[in-house]
Amino acid sequence: KAGVTQTPRYLIKTRGQQVTLSCSPISGHRSVSWYQQTPGQGLQFLFEYFSETQRNKGNFPGRFSGRQFSNSRSEMNVSTLELGDSALYLCASSPGDGEKLFFGSGTQLSVL
Amino acid sequence: AQSVTQLGSHVSVSEGALVLLRCNYSSSVPPYLFWYVQYPNQGLQLLLKYTSAATLVKGINGFEAEFKKSETSFHLTKPSAHMSDAAEYFCAVMGPGGSYIPTFGRGTSLIVHP
Repeated sequence: KAGVTQTPRYLIKTRGQQVTLSCSPISGHRSVSWYQQTPGQGLQFLFEYFSETQRNKGNFPGRFSGRQFSNSRSEMNVSTLELGDSALYLCASSPGDGEKLFFGSGTQLSVL
Repeated sequence: AQSVTQLGSHVSVSEGALVLLRCNYSSSVPPYLFWYVQYPNQGLQLLLKYTSAATLVKGINGFEAEFKKSETSFHLTKPSAHMSDAAEYFCAVMGPGGSYIPTFGRGTSLIVHP
């Protein structure tokens, strides 16, 4: 089975722009979650989607949004980028509740 | 709210020495507990998972962790460190109460000296 695929691998944007990140989960996994990883804050949960519905949401501003498609692929969007949004964004999929997460390699976002 | 504390942001050992990475969680009910490893420029991958079947959990690459309810701890150990073990290690807790979103510790960077 192919692993979790995230695209693009690297992204450079300027303040005020918006960005869309993509995640393709492992085939058959219906849960997809997103995390922001920074040296200062560590790993922080953004949101989780299950069968196209947002099931859980972390404590991030409304500029961060996401969606999941019928094939379980997910996208994450950040609008009006700020310098502090520079981070590694990780996507993970899971075969079921309470099961381990399978992570992608992440998208490294740099906001200039 | 759950919390996970990993003591020591950096742990340095010599090759062949014992590895001990500490993790304490706050929860009134034994949850799911995980250890993940992250190599440079990669995502996290699971080392091992505790699910109440046994207090000593064996994982991949020779790692194991012991769940101690009285101490709310889930420390990760490996008898003999290898250079390839150098990475960032994350402890995570999931549950209770139906929330299957893990809370991660801040991570411990393992440095292995030759």
